[in-house]
Amino acid sequence: AQKITQTQPGMFVQEKEAVTLDCTYDTSDQSYGLFWYKQPSSGEMIFLIYQGSYDEQNATEGRYSLNFQKARKSANLVISASQLGDSAMYFCAMREGRKITNTGNQFYFGTGTSLTVIP
Amino acid sequence: DTEVTQTPKHLVMGMTNKKSLKCEQHMGHRAMYWYKQKAKKPPELMFVYSYEKLSINESVPSRFSPECPNSSLLNLHLHALQPEDSALYLCASSRARQGGDTEAFFGQGTRLTVV
Repeated sequence: AQKITQTQPGMFVQEKEAVTLDCTYDTSDQSYGLFWYKQPSSGEMIFLIYQGSYDEQNATEGRYSLNFQKARKSANLVISASQLGDSAMYFCAMREGRKITNTGNQFYFGTGTSLTVIP
Repeated sequence: DTEVTQTPKHLVMGMTNKKSLKCEQHMGHRAMYWYKQKAKKPPELMFVYSYEKLSINESVPSRFSPECPNSSLLNLHLHALQPEDSALYLCASSRARQGGDTEAFFGQGTRLTVV
C-alpha cells in the first residue's frame, strides 16, 4: 500500500489566488511527521513546512499552511497569494516514528503535484 | 548554515568509467541519505547512513558503492553504470533521533548521464 498519496498530478492557479495541494497518508504509528517539499526545475528539494502527529495546531510558515486532519489522515498544503515563483513540483513526505532508531530514518514521498501559476 | 552541498552538479560518464559523487553538510546531522530521482518521479531511497554506519540499503546494485568517511561527508562511488542509471542523485541529511519531528535537508543534486 502507498504510504503517501497525492492524487493531483498537475494543478493550475491564477497568480495571487490560493491553492490547495492534496496529500493523504497511511500509517499505523502514533508518532510520525509530515513534510512538504518544493522542487523547482533546478532540482533542489526545498523544505517548506512540517506537521507532527501530536501537534494540535495546523502548521503555518509564511504563505504556506498545512491543513492537518488526523482522523482522515490528510495533510493538505495551502499556498496563499500564489506567485509565479511557486511554479514547481510539490512533494508530500512522511517519516514514521518507529523507524527512527539508531539504525537510521526513512522518508516516504508521494508522487508529487506539478503546480503552474498563471500570470 | 542549512546547506547540503553536492559536487559535481553535472556528470557525464561512460559505462566503463569510475566516478564519485560527493556530499557535505556542517549542520551536525548524523543521518545522511542518497536518493535517486528520475524525471517527474519522486525520489527513491538508495542508502541511509546513521552515525557513519550504513543502516539502510534498498537493494541497490553493487555498481553503486556508498561511503561515509566522517560525520560531515557522504560519497557515492560509481562503476560500470548503465544508461538507465542516468538520473538526478540527491543527497540529504537530518538529525537522527526518535519521533518524526526532523526534516531532511537536501542538496541541489548531481545530474548524472551515462553514455
